[in-house]
Formats: sequence, structure tokens, C-alpha cells
Amino acid sequence: DTAVSQTPKYLVTQMGNDKSIKCEQNLGHDTMYWYKQDSKKFLKIMFSYNNKELIINETVPNRFSPKSPDKAHLNLHINSLELGDSAVYFCASSQHPGRREKLFFGSGTQLSVL
Amino acid sequence: GENVEQHPSTLSVQEGDSAVIKCTYSDSASNYFPWYKQELGKGPQLIIDIRSNVGEKKDQRIAVTLNKTAKHFSLHITETQPEDSAVYFCAASDTGNQFYFGTGTSLTVIP
Repeated sequence: DTAVSQTPKYLVTQMGNDKSIKCEQNLGHDTMYWYKQDSKKFLKIMFSYNNKELIINETVPNRFSPKSPDKAHLNLHINSLELGDSAVYFCASSQHPGRREKLFFGSGTQLSVL
Repeated sequence: GENVEQHPSTLSVQEGDSAVIKCTYSDSASNYFPWYKQELGKGPQLIIDIRSNVGEKKDQRIAVTLNKTAKHFSLHITETQPEDSAVYFCAASDTGNQFYFGTGTSLTVIP
């Protein structure tokens, strides 16, 4: 039973399209995150939600819009996709915000923008 | 903000040898330092962590050391095995809301 699951695993699309990535965690955690991993493997946080409320919003183009319908789900919608958006996007969760504890990552969504 | 540097970017060792990965951080407020292992096609997984009130922590073949004065911390893997081959990331956090990751080390263990 996967703890943090995200779909799709692969996403290939044309520039200018709009796409969504879905994430669900069954750990009962309060906090969920989106991370972006570029081609050099650099991991950078994009957003963090606690109980459906946005708590971290790093400098991310407003073409990226996260949505948390409940604390078990955090989806990422991307408008007007650009070549530079190609990366692996990871969803993650942790039990509590503001505590120094383990992040549980999903297996990633590899986004390729052509 | 915090800046975490990680070295080396690639590391090859013979099976059975030790591997050491080093990280430095810039923000003296950081007080939690986890290490994650990322296998091919998977998300990162926590393998060990250390908090700033501790200088060293061990878990079987893995150990982490922390030097707060010098602002650096290291991962040590002894008796390496082929299944240790992966990308390893260090990270630093102060509040626990934000984790700053290093740039990763690709470790290859040669049988």
C-alpha cells in the first residue's frame, strides 16, 4: 500500500498546454509538499500545505497553482507549459509542520515539455 | 536563506570500501540535518538524520557526524555493497518547514 502516490509517472506534452499532477498520501499526515528536481538532480521546494492551507510558496511562476481539496491530497496544475518546466516533480508529506522530521516522498512525475 | 553545498558530486568505490560524503551549510540557525537516498526512478528516502545537539549518530553501516562550529556534516558508509549505489542528498532545516537540499552525490559501488 503506497504511502505517497502521485500520478501520472510520466507526462509528455507540448509547449503551451495545461496539465495536472495528482498526489495522495495515506499516512494521515498534516503537511504536504511539492518539490522540483531539475536535470542536475537539484531538489527545490515549490509549495507546502498544512491542513489544506498554504504555508510555503517559494518563488514559482504563477502558472503553477497547487490545490489541496483535503489534507490527504495536494494536486499541482501547470498552465501554459514551457520548455524549462521539464523536470521531475515530487510530492512529499510529513506528519507535522514546523517539526524537524522525516519527509515521505512519492516516486515522482517526469514531465517532458516538447 | 540557507545554502547547502555537497561534495563530491560523483563517487566510485570498490565493494567493501568506505564512502564519505560531505556537506556544508551557511545558516547557523539550522539545527536538523537529514540524509536521503534516491534510487533510480524512485523518490528520496530518509536513511539517517542528526540534530544539532548531537555530534555523531550511527545506524549499522551508516554514520553521520556534525561539526556545528565549522558548519559541516558528513555521511559515512562502511563496508559498501552494490545496493548502496544511488544518489545521496544532504539537507538542512531550521524551523522544520523548509528543507534545503544539497546538490546530490551519485555513489557507485563497484562489485
